Order: sequence, then structure tokens, then C-alpha cells
Amino acid sequence: DAKTTQPTSMDCAEGRAANLPCNHSTISGNEYVYWYRQIHSQGPQYIIHGLKNNETNEMASLIITEDRKSSTLILPHATLRDTAVYYCIVRVADGNDYKLSFGAGTTVTVRA
Amino acid sequence: DAGVIQSPRHEVTEMGQEVTLRCKPISGHNSLFWYRQTMMRGLELLIYFNNNVPIDDSGMPEDRFSAKMPNASFSTLKIQPSEPRDSAVYFCASSSQALGAFFGQGTRLTVV
Repeated sequence: DAKTTQPTSMDCAEGRAANLPCNHSTISGNEYVYWYRQIHSQGPQYIIHGLKNNETNEMASLIITEDRKSSTLILPHATLRDTAVYYCIVRVADGNDYKLSFGAGTTVTVRA
Repeated sequence: DAGVIQSPRHEVTEMGQEVTLRCKPISGHNSLFWYRQTMMRGLELLIYFNNNVPIDDSGMPEDRFSAKMPNASFSTLKIQPSEPRDSAVYFCASSSQALGAFFGQGTRLTVV
């Protein structure tokens, strides 16, 4: 898997947008960008994924640069319940190999 | 769907005993993952299966660990004999090809 680089931690004010960056400069053409989060004591939760187009769902938006070497996860209106570790992962999406490996992630703290 | 179901939720055992963790993936998912999480090492991928076949077990720490997937609806992770350093939270996840993986609530294992 291509490796990703994320900031170790970041703070965000409640009600404001949280923009979480991720660098994946060695991403291959057949690799998707996935985002997960893990709230304390729970299993990781899938948020969103994309290949090259920007994606949006009820949880977040994913912005992928045109060269695909970086991406940003946007939580449009952060709440205290969004405090969690956020993981950016690149993963192949064809063949028989769907290995999903986690790095250290970004610890996001939403403050009132 | 009830999601990925893991059992037991908590397990306390004595060193040297055999431990078996169980996982029922989401119906229709064809990939299954076993992870271990500790404070020191984060979230580590132990092994994953595709269509019930082990694809990559390079994360299995040693011969004391073994995993099986006898059918599409059940998998086990066995540790024999268990050691105190095996204490961790073990997560099972399942996914449908390249779609997002969904995690169970985990099994917290304590080996004394």
C-alpha cells in the first residue's frame, strides 16, 4: 500500500468546519483514498472514499487534488461527538487484494 | 443488518490458555479482516481473507496465532498458548470488494 502522511493532532471549534489534510504522494492509479475514524473504545467507522472525483455523503466531503497526491476530509459543522482519531488510507480496489492498513492517524479534538 | 458481530466482548484468561475469538461478518461481504489494537502499536492488520481464502497473513505475530474462515459467515482467531503481551483489543471487519470496511465492536482480551 502507498503510505499516507497526516498531522498528529488538530483542534477544531464546535460548529466550524474541520479540514483534515492527508498526503499520499506515491499513490498508484488503481488506489482509492479512504477515510475512517475511531471514537474512543469503539471500532473504526468508515466515513468516505474516492478515486479522483470529489465525494460527499451525509458525514463528510472528500476533496482530492487533481494530481491525486493529497486529499482533504471536510467535516462541515464539527460537533463534540466528532472528537476521534481520523485515518487516511490508500487501498487498491481491483484484483484480489483489498488490504486495508492503518497508520497513526490524526487525533481531532472538537472544543466547545 | 446487525453489522459485524464479535464474541466475546471481553475475555480474561490465564497465561498458557487457549483463546478463541469469533466473528460473524455482514452478509454478502466477501472480505474479512482481523486487527489487533494496543496503545503502543496502534491498529495492526493481522490477516485478511477474500472469499474465505487467506490472502495475507504476514501480520500474524507468530505461530501461536491462527485464523480460519470455514464459510462466508464465520471466522475465528485462535491464540494458543496465550501470553500477557497478547493483551489487546481485537477487531474484526468485513467489506464487499473495494467498498468501505465495517468493523465490529471488538474483543478486549486480557491475559494474566
